[in-house]
Amino acid sequence: DTGVSQDPRHKITKRGQNVTFRCDPISEHNRLYWYRQTLGQGPEFLTYFQNEAQLEKSRLLSDRFSAERPKGSFSTLEIQRTEQGDSAMYLCASSFHSGRRTDTQYFGPGTRLTVL
Amino acid sequence: KQEVTQIPAALSVPEGENLVLNCSFTDSAIYNLQWFRQDPGKGLTSLLLIQSSQREQTSGRLNASLDKSSGRSTLYIAASQPGDSATYLCAVCPIQGAQKLVFGQGTRLTINP
Repeated sequence: DTGVSQDPRHKITKRGQNVTFRCDPISEHNRLYWYRQTLGQGPEFLTYFQNEAQLEKSRLLSDRFSAERPKGSFSTLEIQRTEQGDSAMYLCASSFHSGRRTDTQYFGPGTRLTVL
Repeated sequence: KQEVTQIPAALSVPEGENLVLNCSFTDSAIYNLQWFRQDPGKGLTSLLLIQSSQREQTSGRLNASLDKSSGRSTLYIAASQPGDSATYLCAVCPIQGAQKLVFGQGTRLTINP
């Protein structure tokens, strides 16, 4: 068990460019969450998957954002036509959930996005 | 809508002191409450998780309490050390739906040698 990993750790891009982030959850975890954290604030929920199904999206997730989790393993978060307001830390977390049990969420190290 | 508030926003104390960080939440229908530590520019490290049926959890110099009925939790740090300097985040996990965590804004703690 190597924990939750995210790639890249840092991304600097120019306004208007597209960026994609990857999250690899803990292998037996069926739930995967994306959160966004801006400077001085706590993380805010963006979206989550149970296996490969995206079950909920926050109003924070505009049409420029898309997330996928093919085959219920790793997940990608893409931001199209980036804006300076997208600059933030993007955090991924995973957990195991069944009808009888919900475990704690384990967080990755995050991807820090800077949009110039 | 669940809201989580942490007071104070920042705290600076001399090394060796005991201290308390506060967290309050508006909806008592929670599955659990978790305290995290975050170092500058880094991800989150889970410190303590308290299930809704529990009153407190302890790990080393850390003790977290939960009073669900009043919507409050405290994180007690004993004999603080400079290495404890970080931002401490409180998060609640709602019972219903996706169990997406709702975070407070954090308390930025500085321990002065």
